[in-house]
Amino acid sequence: GDSVTQMEGPVTLSEEAFLTINCTYTATGYPSLFWYVQYPGEGLQLLLKATKADDKGSNKGFEATYRKETTSFHLEKGSVQVSDSAVYFCALHAGGTSYGKLTFGQGTILTVHP
Amino acid sequence: EAQVTQNPRYLITVTGKKLTVTCSQNMNHEYMSWYRQDPGLGLRQIYYSMNVEVTDKGDVPEGYKVSRKEKRNFPLILESPSPNQTSLYFCASRRSGTGPYEQYFGPGTRLTVT
Repeated sequence: GDSVTQMEGPVTLSEEAFLTINCTYTATGYPSLFWYVQYPGEGLQLLLKATKADDKGSNKGFEATYRKETTSFHLEKGSVQVSDSAVYFCALHAGGTSYGKLTFGQGTILTVHP
Repeated sequence: EAQVTQNPRYLITVTGKKLTVTCSQNMNHEYMSWYRQDPGLGLRQIYYSMNVEVTDKGDVPEGYKVSRKEKRNFPLILESPSPNQTSLYFCASRRSGTGPYEQYFGPGTRLTVT
């Protein structure tokens, strides 16, 4: 079945550091890929998405490129801020008979210190 | 404001005492679903509904029931809660269709079963 694997956390960085959170997936067909972010005490919010190979999703300084050859969708940001502290989830949408279901990775906790 | 609401936000109960977690969305979405979030496991889908009176099991449906009598509401019912249902629960909604549409999540309900 479909699955998503994220790098182990938690990740702790200083403000303005470079961020990478690794995400790899296993799926049949051609899934769409997402990053969702969960701020403390809140529900998940869509951060960015990519729907086909080589697409780059971007939002709020975050970027991720859909790499079919390596089945990866790593999240990057050049300079993190304290306000980026949150839990980040990589997810895939297989479409078709799975309809609206998202398959999530285990989540990566990011803490950014001033 | 487009939103998904859940109630209650926090709930502590005892084994076997029936409970209902409510979910409501104001975006006229056809598709709604419930997920549970557990450490190290990410989010897993419990049940989903493609429209009024149409519901189906997700990946972890055991011990849960749902109903969809109105488009905006999708309550999650635990008829006889057990400690292994202690978790963080999220309701989500999205537009209909098989495309990679954004899902909108509620703020979560933290349930503890003793």
